[in-house]
Amino acid sequence: QITLKESGPTLVKPTQTLTLTCTFSGFSLSTSGVGVGWIRQPPGKALEWLALIYWNDDKRYSPSLKSRLTITKDTSKNQVVLTMTNMDPVDTATYYCAHSKDGYNFGYWGQGTLVTVSS
Amino acid sequence: QSALTQPASVSGSPGQSITISCTGTSSDVGGYNYVSWYQQHPGKAPKLMIYEVSNRPSGVPDRFSGSKSGNTASLTISGLQAEDEADYYCSSYTSSSTVVFGGGTKLTVL
Repeated sequence: QITLKESGPTLVKPTQTLTLTCTFSGFSLSTSGVGVGWIRQPPGKALEWLALIYWNDDKRYSPSLKSRLTITKDTSKNQVVLTMTNMDPVDTATYYCAHSKDGYNFGYWGQGTLVTVSS
Repeated sequence: QSALTQPASVSGSPGQSITISCTGTSSDVGGYNYVSWYQQHPGKAPKLMIYEVSNRPSGVPDRFSGSKSGNTASLTISGLQAEDEADYYCSSYTSSSTVVFGGGTKLTVL
């Protein structure tokens, strides 16, 4: 059974750096083809794909946010970490991590974590 | 990359069929058979309903079907049920090796 869970701060101040951790079970991020991605959703708005890391440490980022994002993995801990710098109130959203068997779609999602950016 | 274009809302009565469109470009929807559809109920995480244009994951009712023509993909739900009322999002792999989502469609079952 594949499960994922996001953790991190619920409130960050503008200009601060956000660090979110995705802790997963039921699969290995060393299995060929597998990836873990991050997707966010501002309140009442659409999903936005942020980043994805593959089993071989290949990384992909949203072009519009690439300069602010870093995604890493710790295979031994079954964790993926996303950092986003220079947070702004418009970054207020629910952040999801999700499992991808091939990098093209997400079959398993975490419950999401709401991050509010406010001073 | 620009978000894929979906209608803001669609509606239908129980038992009827509805179709949601998802329009992109030749750099995403039109260029790859990696279109997915997600269902999201309020306060819940999205659920994968269709992948690779027309494939259903295990457990998804066969009332849900997907197709693609050119730069536009479509999700069809037949035999509408009350529990189908939700937001639906399409996504596509892109020529930049990233993924882009659509703006979402709110389905109302009348």
